[in-house]
Amino acid sequence: GAVVSQHPSRVICKSGTSVKIECRSLDFQATTMFWYRQFPKQSLMLMATSNEGSKATYEQGVEKDKFLINHASLTLSTLTVTSAHPEDSSFYICSAGLAGGTYEQYFGPGTRLTVT
Amino acid sequence: DAKTTQPNSMESNEEEPVHLPCNHSTISGTDYIHWYRQLPSQGPEYVIHGLTSNVNNRMASLAIAEDRKSSTLILHRATLRDAAVYYCILRDYKLTFGKGTLLTVNP
Repeated sequence: GAVVSQHPSRVICKSGTSVKIECRSLDFQATTMFWYRQFPKQSLMLMATSNEGSKATYEQGVEKDKFLINHASLTLSTLTVTSAHPEDSSFYICSAGLAGGTYEQYFGPGTRLTVT
Repeated sequence: DAKTTQPNSMESNEEEPVHLPCNHSTISGTDYIHWYRQLPSQGPEYVIHGLTSNVNNRMASLAIAEDRKSSTLILHRATLRDAAVYYCILRDYKLTFGKGTLLTVNP
């Protein structure tokens, strides 16, 4: 199956700093990537949909100025958490689809962000 | 996305079949039924998907009711590595995850 990677797998940052998370589709091109956040013992919550070469579409309640998403190529999307605070500590997961509509999405292994 | 209902948890014994149910009474004609699973501290993994007919792949089988208001994910022989949270999702474009079913597999 298709492989999606994320980097870093874990990151600890200080409150007020920014951190960037990369999501790459390794063996396929993804016109659309999705970013999720998962708090402990909760389900995944979609944050935004990222389309290559255009602005991301954010879900209701997600601050677009705080969570900057860039999808510069068909194999790379980045999520930057700006001015991070402890409440941003979470498990961030990206996914990419081989095609729209019916097809499955492939998920990255996730990035554990801890803000101290 | 249309809503799905799954049991919070289920338990199985190793090497026995597991039937994970999902109700989706408000499914529309174009909604595909997708199943994903998530192991602890990992991203979700695609399991299977279908529209109307039953589907089989190397991981599992998907049985879809004739009226499409429910479906069942079938793991033919559960292993310890199948212990995970299983999500049943009706997909139009994006995936909306519910709480899923926590499957425990006993040795």
